[in-house]
Formats: sequence, C-alpha cells, structure tokens
Amino acid sequence: DIQMTQSPSSLSASVGDRVTITCRASQSISSYLNWYQQKPGKAPKLLIYAASSLQSGVPSRFSGSGSGTDFTLTIISVQPEDFATFYCQQIYSTRYTFGQGTKLEIK
Amino acid sequence: EVQLVESGGGLVQPGGSLRLSCAASGFTFRNSEMNWVRQAPGKGLEWVAYISSSGGTTNFADSVKGRFTISRDNAKDSLFLQMNSLRAEDTAVYYCARGGWERWGQGTLVTVSA
Repeated sequence: DIQMTQSPSSLSASVGDRVTITCRASQSISSYLNWYQQKPGKAPKLLIYAASSLQSGVPSRFSGSGSGTDFTLTIISVQPEDFATFYCQQIYSTRYTFGQGTKLEIK
Repeated sequence: EVQLVESGGGLVQPGGSLRLSCAASGFTFRNSEMNWVRQAPGKGLEWVAYISSSGGTTNFADSVKGRFTISRDNAKDSLFLQMNSLRAEDTAVYYCARGGWERWGQGTLVTVSA
C-alpha cells in the first residue's frame, strides 16, 4: 500500500498567520491527492482535490500544490474557524490511504 | 441535496457481527463508486472498503479483509458493510463516502466490547 506521511503532526498558529502542512507519498501518485479538514465530532470536509483544485464553497485562503510524491496545503491567513485537524489522502490506488493528520491549534 | 445517512452501529461483543447501512439521496447512486472509512476514538482516518458503481469490484483494507463485506442495492440507493468476527480494534465511527469524496455521511459508532 502507498504510505502517506504528513508533517508536522501538530502546530500552533495565530489568527492571520500563514500555515503550511506537507504530505509525502511513498511512491509517485501524480496529482491524485485530496486534502480534508475535520472538526471534532464532524465528518471530514473535502478542501482540495487533484492536489491543487479548490472544492466548491471552500474559501480561497486555502490552496494546494505539488505532484509526484511531495504536496503542500497552505492557508494564507488563518481564521478562527480554520482550527481543526487536516488530512491528506492518496486516491491514485483504490486501496486509498490517509496521512496521520495535522492538528492546527490556536497559539 | 446530496445526503448520506449511516445506521446500524451499536455495541457488539468480540467475535460478533454487525451490518451497517448507508442510505443515499440527492444523486444518482447507481452511477457512484462508494467507500467506507472509519475513525477509532482519538485517532486518524482509515479507509476500510471500496465498491464500484455496479458492485462488481470491491477492495478492502488488510485490517478487515476476510472479515468485512461491502455490498450495495442500487434499486434502493443503499450501501452496506457486513462486519463479522469483530475485534476491539474495530471500535470506531464508520463513515460512508461517495466516490468523489466530496460527500460523507455523519457516521455511525461501532463499539466492540465485552
């Protein structure tokens, strides 16, 4: 199976900060990568698909980049409602795998 | 509105069985691939099973292969997960998700405990 490794596992940020989360695949997955945001007690919400395409309704402060094995999720100005856990997911193989998650906390 | 609603979770003893259901509405279910994903308490997301739109192709995580079965009834817009030989480590919230991953249900909690 393709392994997905996120970093960092957690980070603290202040409102207005720029935040970057990275995700590395154990083999090339082209651009077959999704990013999700999950808040406590809620289902994951798709933010970014195909590595860099913004899902409908998602604020433009979220962006994704990368291809092959290395990917990033960037929030250019973190807002109070953005504090949550973020996951990457490869959809290159139908044995889908997720990263372990990155918890974004308020500093 | 696209909606996925899971049901069937609950408390079950180790070695027992449970059948989860996911009722779909607001889209053409018979054309959609579907998945089950789970999340153990305080842990990350784990993909569990995949089924093609026709039901002819399925795939399972190694952790559940041979114990879980995924199926669907396209006439009733429903997805199922039959879980047998349940273990404590299967305790989780189980989500159904549409193939494009843009829609998820609210989840149903399965607790495996004596």
